[in-house]
Amino acid sequence: DQQVKQNSPSLSVQEGRISILNCDYTNSMFDYFLWYKKYPAEGPTFLISISSIKDKNEDGRFTVFLNKSAKHLSLHIVPSQPGDSAVYFCAASGGTSYGKLTFGQGTILTVHP
Amino acid sequence: EAQVTQNPRYLITVTGKKLTVTCSQNMNHEYMSWYRQDPGLGLRQIYYSMNVEVTDKGDVPEGYKVSRKEKRNFPLILESPSPNQTSLYFCASSSTVLWQGARGYTFGSGTRLTVV
Repeated sequence: DQQVKQNSPSLSVQEGRISILNCDYTNSMFDYFLWYKKYPAEGPTFLISISSIKDKNEDGRFTVFLNKSAKHLSLHIVPSQPGDSAVYFCAASGGTSYGKLTFGQGTILTVHP
Repeated sequence: EAQVTQNPRYLITVTGKKLTVTCSQNMNHEYMSWYRQDPGLGLRQIYYSMNVEVTDKGDVPEGYKVSRKEKRNFPLILESPSPNQTSLYFCASSSTVLWQGARGYTFGSGTRLTVV
């Protein structure tokens, strides 16, 4: 049972425009969410996170929004740059999942010059 | 440089031939974990370790073993590999699993394993 879902396998945007990556979760015990970015031949690297007590967290061009009632979060990248082209993973933790981050399937973002 | 190092980066092996993927971290992290990445399934946790000699199963532990004899090392052992273990494997470490406010795991660069 996939508790964290990224339903869009890929997203293509033009440089300078906004990229919106979405993530849904089913486990109401999740209380902390992270986004990771992964380039080919490298491991995932931390990008931004949000606690369930907040509905928004911003870091430069990256903003994560959390809608707890809908069990939905999204990552906004504004403006998008070609160097943002990568796989983005949403991850969640909480409840009894000590030591565990539950990941989504990932979304491949391609930013065209 | 603070990092998680996995070896080998690429490995092709035959069914049933025991193999070990090594993982080492130089950050004095207590917590370490192994994940596998498969298309359409994302990253799934295999095993994790909270400290030396303390390990526990993740979501997909079948066919794998781990050991944590030293704080810095967390090898992944496949005693009798099968083709369904063909995957991209990541080792990860963290100073905490109190995730609130933290950056989660630091990942290694991955090991691409093919079992034929």
